[in-house]
Amino acid sequence: QQPVQSPQAVILREGEDAVINCSSSKALYSVHWYRQKHGEAPVFLMILLKGGEQKGHEKISASFNEKKQQSSLYLTASQLSYSGTYFCGTHSIQGNLIFGKGTKLSVKP
Amino acid sequence: DAGVTQSPTHLIKTRGQQVTLRCSPKSGHDTVSWYQQALGQGPQFIFQYYEEEERQRGNFPDRFSGHQFPNYSSELNVNALLLGDSALYLCASSVLDRMGNTEAFFGQGTRLTVV
Repeated sequence: QQPVQSPQAVILREGEDAVINCSSSKALYSVHWYRQKHGEAPVFLMILLKGGEQKGHEKISASFNEKKQQSSLYLTASQLSYSGTYFCGTHSIQGNLIFGKGTKLSVKP
Repeated sequence: DAGVTQSPTHLIKTRGQQVTLRCSPKSGHDTVSWYQQALGQGPQFIFQYYEEEERQRGNFPDRFSGHQFPNYSSELNVNALLLGDSALYLCASSVLDRMGNTEAFFGQGTRLTVV
C-alpha cells in the first residue's frame, strides 16, 4: 500500500519553515525519507525507527507516530539547496521500500 | 567507493523490443532493488534480489524479469516493450534488513524511451 504524502507541493522563501507529512494505512516498521533533485537520483535523508530512534541528516528533523502510522519531515530555516522532491518510503515486513508520490518543494531567494 | 552505478544512462528502444539494464551495487551491499519512476511520480517497486534470488516483487507483469550475479550486480530485463514502459529505471542497493533499519543508495538511473 503506497503511503500518502501531503502537501503535493510547497513554495517557500529562504529562511521559512515547512512540514511534509506521510501516512500509511498499514503498520509501519520504519519510515525513510529521500530527496530527489531534478534529473538526479533520490538521496537518503533519514530513517525513523519504531521506538523513536532516528538516523540521518543533521539539519532536517522528523517525527514518527507509530500508533497513527504517520511521519512528518520538518524543514526549518530553509535554504535554496533544500529545493527538490521529497519522498517518504515505508518499509514493508517483506523488506522492500514503498514510496509515496512525493512532495515538490521550491525555495525561492 | 563508486557508489551504485547503472548502465546505460539513456536508451531508446522500439515497441516490441527487449531491453537489459545493469546495476552494480555499492561495495558491501548484498541486496538490489529495482524501481520504475514515471515523470512526476514516486519510484514504483519492481522487485528485489538477494543471494541471486528474487525476494519480493511489486505489481509488474512477467515481462519484467531480473537476475542477480554472485558479485551482487544485477540486471533488469523487459520484454515486448510498450510505450508505457518509458520511464526512469532506478536501482537501489542496501544491506538486507527485514526491519528497515538501513538506508538504500540509489544509482543515477537509466532513462528508457520507447518509441
